[in-house]
Amino acid sequence: EVQLVQSGAEVKEPGESLKISCQGSGYSFSDYWIAWVRQMPGKGLEWMGIIYPGDSDMRDSPSFRGQVSMSTDKSIGTAYLQWSSLKASDTAIYYCARVSRDNRGHLSAYDIWGRGTMVTVSS
Amino acid sequence: IVLTQSPGTLSLSPGERATLSCRASQSVRSNYLAWYQQKPGQAPRLLMFGASTRATGIPDRFSGSGSETDFTLTISRLEPEDFAVYYCQQYGTSPYTFGQGTKLEIK
Repeated sequence: EVQLVQSGAEVKEPGESLKISCQGSGYSFSDYWIAWVRQMPGKGLEWMGIIYPGDSDMRDSPSFRGQVSMSTDKSIGTAYLQWSSLKASDTAIYYCARVSRDNRGHLSAYDIWGRGTMVTVSS
Repeated sequence: IVLTQSPGTLSLSPGERATLSCRASQSVRSNYLAWYQQKPGQAPRLLMFGASTRATGIPDRFSGSGSETDFTLTISRLEPEDFAVYYCQQYGTSPYTFGQGTKLEIK
């Protein structure tokens, strides 16, 4: 079964660091980009960026640039999202998703999603 | 590219037809537009890609159409499990933005 398994919920204080994970299984992890999507409480989906495990190439949203970093460890089929200094406004569910490809090899829609990691930042 | 979905909320009854709109601030390259469904407490699920191609396992009461800046998701006859929030996303030009969502609720 193709799936993405995300790490568990986190409760942190402002200023703390955090790294959450997304492990793929059932497919060749290195061959598919991974997307990260934020959903703040009661709000819509926000595209954060994508990263390619094969060579760590990435594309990111200007809205999140410098606020969070993406990385991967293809040896263990895992993608990461990391903060060096959390803020209360980082409170949200963070989803990872697999980026599919169309029949021309172009990046396509997100066909497999993790269940999300709830991050709560509060003093 | 800014995606604007309308209406914000759509109130319909099971068996009725739903029409959801997604308008882009500029042309979506190669009609690289997807639709997702999200139910409370769940991750989004891919419904459509390439504007009009159903994803695996999606029933044929769901259909997508449109091009360039105007796209539509149609649900021909609503089933109880279709009441959810729907998002469009363009993946032709980075950043690959989402619309703000349309909530489809039971009337």
